[in-house]
Amino acid sequence: DSGVTQTPKHLITATGQRVTLRCSPRSGDLSVYWYQQSLDQGLQFLIHYYNGEERAKGNILERFSAQQFPDLHSELNLSSLELGDSALYFCASSVTTSGGTDTQYFGPGTRLTVL
Amino acid sequence: AQSVSQHNHHVILSEAASLELGCNYSYGGTVNLFWYVQYPGQHLQLLLKYFSGDPLVKGIKGFEAEFIKSKFSFNLRKPSVQWSDTAEYFCAVKPYGGSQGNLIFGKGTKLSVKP
Repeated sequence: DSGVTQTPKHLITATGQRVTLRCSPRSGDLSVYWYQQSLDQGLQFLIHYYNGEERAKGNILERFSAQQFPDLHSELNLSSLELGDSALYFCASSVTTSGGTDTQYFGPGTRLTVL
Repeated sequence: AQSVSQHNHHVILSEAASLELGCNYSYGGTVNLFWYVQYPGQHLQLLLKYFSGDPLVKGIKGFEAEFIKSKFSFNLRKPSVQWSDTAEYFCAVKPYGGSQGNLIFGKGTKLSVKP
């Protein structure tokens, strides 16, 4: 158990819908990263938050957004869902940010299925 | 752009065989290097990491990896695999000192160990 929690574990929804994925980092970690894992693209970085502020964006679609709250949990919002958004969504947390020698610990993921 | 290559998509071994999984990255500066393992249906777990110092690093479950800077490689090894090592293995790179802290992952190598 990494100490990172994610809810829900599974999510099945229809095209065009909107969903929210939640992540709670390890105690003491200020950084939260979101990644998408799909069969064709592998593990892709989506977005990084540090202590409530957005720090970096990766291959994140405009239909997707995220935020980190004062208690440091983070939510990833996916809207106007398409079949291709079906994937595993992981969050990871670490103590610091950017180019330091910190380690990211991953949560169990949320499996999103869009029908 | 930085990238990570894992040479083998799927490796099949018998128990007690030796394992070496290749990983090469493209980035000219200092990097932090990681190997993560994903057991079937589970989240990513950290196997080992390299930040600096001795290029031969030891991880959990008898795994080790060697960083060869001149070859931009960070190959994973295990002298004798067990059936329980069946999993997918991901090499990841994080440029050191940059503004972004996200990991760049390889496509992964599936390891199947036959009992």
